[in-house]
Amino acid sequence: NAGVTQTPKFQVLKTGQSMTLQCAQDMNHEYMSWYRQDPGMGLRLIHYSVGAGITDQGEVPNGYNVSRSTTEDFPLRLLSAAPSQTSVYFCASKTGNSPLHFGNGTRLTVT
Amino acid sequence: RKEVEQDPGPFNVPEGATVAFNCTYSNSASQSFFWYRQDCRKEPKLLMSVYSSGNEDGRFTAQLNRASQYISLLIRDSKLSDSATYLCVVGSGTYKYIFGTGTRLKVLA
Repeated sequence: NAGVTQTPKFQVLKTGQSMTLQCAQDMNHEYMSWYRQDPGMGLRLIHYSVGAGITDQGEVPNGYNVSRSTTEDFPLRLLSAAPSQTSVYFCASKTGNSPLHFGNGTRLTVT
Repeated sequence: RKEVEQDPGPFNVPEGATVAFNCTYSNSASQSFFWYRQDCRKEPKLLMSVYSSGNEDGRFTAQLNRASQYISLLIRDSKLSDSATYLCVVGSGTYKYIFGTGTRLKVLA
């Protein structure tokens, strides 16, 4: 099984550009989420979804949009990138009270 | 006060040593607890879930103390390959998982 797949692995953007980080899972998990990880801050929840058509904000949602049109996919959109969004982004999924399964991350730099 | 707190370390220990980490949490209604391992620049990977009665997986033992609101991870006979950051994760509902900032472990030859 592929598990949770994220693309791209690396991305450099200029301030103001937009882009979409892709996340797909093949485990039929109802829950999917996006985290960002910054030095000394731990992982912080950006947005999450508990099923197709349902999304909600996490701890740090500003500047990011999400949608969940299928169970498998949960893209994260940056509408107008800012240097403060330079970070490592992880997508994670789970079912019920099981542990989170993580993708291998996207390292984003905004200049 | 942070919802989940960990000593950032680093903990520098020789090979073969026993090392223990604690993680405190503030929400007494928390229901699920996990330890993850994260290698440099990689994704977090589940090390073990933590059960009320405590549980063991090889050289790793996890315990939960609800009265004092902390979980612990004990690593016996440390290996060089155990060098990593260990993340504590606390769930207070089906969809609310809070991460600690992690404890760095360096096992020295």
